[in-house]
Amino acid sequence: EIVLTQSPGTLSLSPGERATLSCRASQSVSSSYLAWYQQRPGQAPRLLIYGASSRATGIPDRFSGSGSGTDFTLTISRLEPEDFAVYYCQQYGSSPWTFGQGTKVEI
Amino acid sequence: QVQLQESGPGLVKPSETLSLTCTVSGGSISSYYWTWIRQPPGKELEWIGYIYYSGSTNYNPSLKSRVTISVDTSKNQFSLKLSSVTAADTAVYYCARISVTPRGYGMDVWGQGTTVTVSS
Repeated sequence: EIVLTQSPGTLSLSPGERATLSCRASQSVSSSYLAWYQQRPGQAPRLLIYGASSRATGIPDRFSGSGSGTDFTLTISRLEPEDFAVYYCQQYGSSPWTFGQGTKVEI
Repeated sequence: QVQLQESGPGLVKPSETLSLTCTVSGGSISSYYWTWIRQPPGKELEWIGYIYYSGSTNYNPSLKSRVTISVDTSKNQFSLKLSSVTAADTAVYYCARISVTPRGYGMDVWGQGTTVTVSS
């Protein structure tokens, strides 16, 4: 099973600042099979990034994904108030599909 | 636009079978993969398994002995059954659509989630 480790656990930032979230895999993951999700309190997750770097439909361009192999990054260039949430990475490259433990972006 | 809605009992007794249905509206269940995800209180997301509209499945090995996912294309629904439940199965259960493109995979449409509590 591929374990995804996200860091930091919590990121304390202010609106307008840049957020950099990390996702490290215990084994190499094909870039096509790495996705990022945002989850606001009480809501279902929302797909942000698929294929490590492709934005999902309707996702603002302040969200970007990068990385390959075992190291992936989600960057939010300028935080908006609605971006304060929990972010999860997920891999589809190997069964069972697994999620990271999440990074909470808080004010 | 495609919407998903989970339905089923919110309370299940220990050792019984949890049964949930996801109804797909605004689009066809055909030509997509569909999946179930759960999230225990205060914890991260856990993938349960997926089904293709044709009926082929793949389950998380940690749950495989207790899980069955099925599809009913005539009703535009897919379902989850989890047997022999314990308190550890208490969670919010989500259904979602899996989008498969040349650039990669992603769960691009989600239901709102349904809370299932296992308790006597």
